[in-house]
Amino acid sequence: KAGVTQTPRYLIKTRGQQVTLSCSPISGHRSVSWYQQTPGQGLQFLFEYFSETQRNKGNFPGRFSGRQFSNSRSEMNVSTLELGDSALYLCASSPPDRDSPRVNQETQYFGPGTRLLVL
Amino acid sequence: AQTVTQSQPEMSVQEAETVTLSCTYDTSESDYYLFWYKQPPSRQMILVIRQEAYKQQNATENRFSVNFQKAAKSFSLKISDSQLGDAAMYFCAYRSAYIMGAQKLVFGQGTRLTINP
Repeated sequence: KAGVTQTPRYLIKTRGQQVTLSCSPISGHRSVSWYQQTPGQGLQFLFEYFSETQRNKGNFPGRFSGRQFSNSRSEMNVSTLELGDSALYLCASSPPDRDSPRVNQETQYFGPGTRLLVL
Repeated sequence: AQTVTQSQPEMSVQEAETVTLSCTYDTSESDYYLFWYKQPPSRQMILVIRQEAYKQQNATENRFSVNFQKAAKSFSLKISDSQLGDAAMYFCAYRSAYIMGAQKLVFGQGTRLTINP
């Protein structure tokens, strides 16, 4: 199976612009999560989508938004870019829970990330 | 809110030796998962090992094993017979086992592991 893919891999934008990043999960996976990684703040959870619905959201301003399509591919959008948005953006996908009383048991698999530089 | 702390920003070990990376976490939940992820220079996050809190037995994956102390909220990673390819940033992560927690991972700040030949 192909792994999680993210496009583009590198991006340079200027302050005030907006950007859209894309994540294609592993085939069969329905959950997609997004994380921001910076040297100062480390890895922070942005949001998670499952079956086209946002299931959980981190503490980021409303400039950060996302969506998920019926084929489970996900996009995240950052509007009015700031210098502090420069980061590695990682997405991860996981399959639906197995038929078990336990939930959230499936492992997440990460993509290679999109490196965003805001000038 | 849950927090994860890795108190060792950097560690180094001689090739073929054993090294232990530390991780502590704070949560009020009784059921959760703990993970160690590895991030080499390529920046690809790779799962090393996972532990389910309800299991008392420590997880093992080949040369990697954990020491899970639930009462102490401690989750250390032991790498045996260290290899040059083990050099990477290692992240400890927590995930709730409750549906409202969904797939949110809470990460520690990471430990940079260097392997000396």
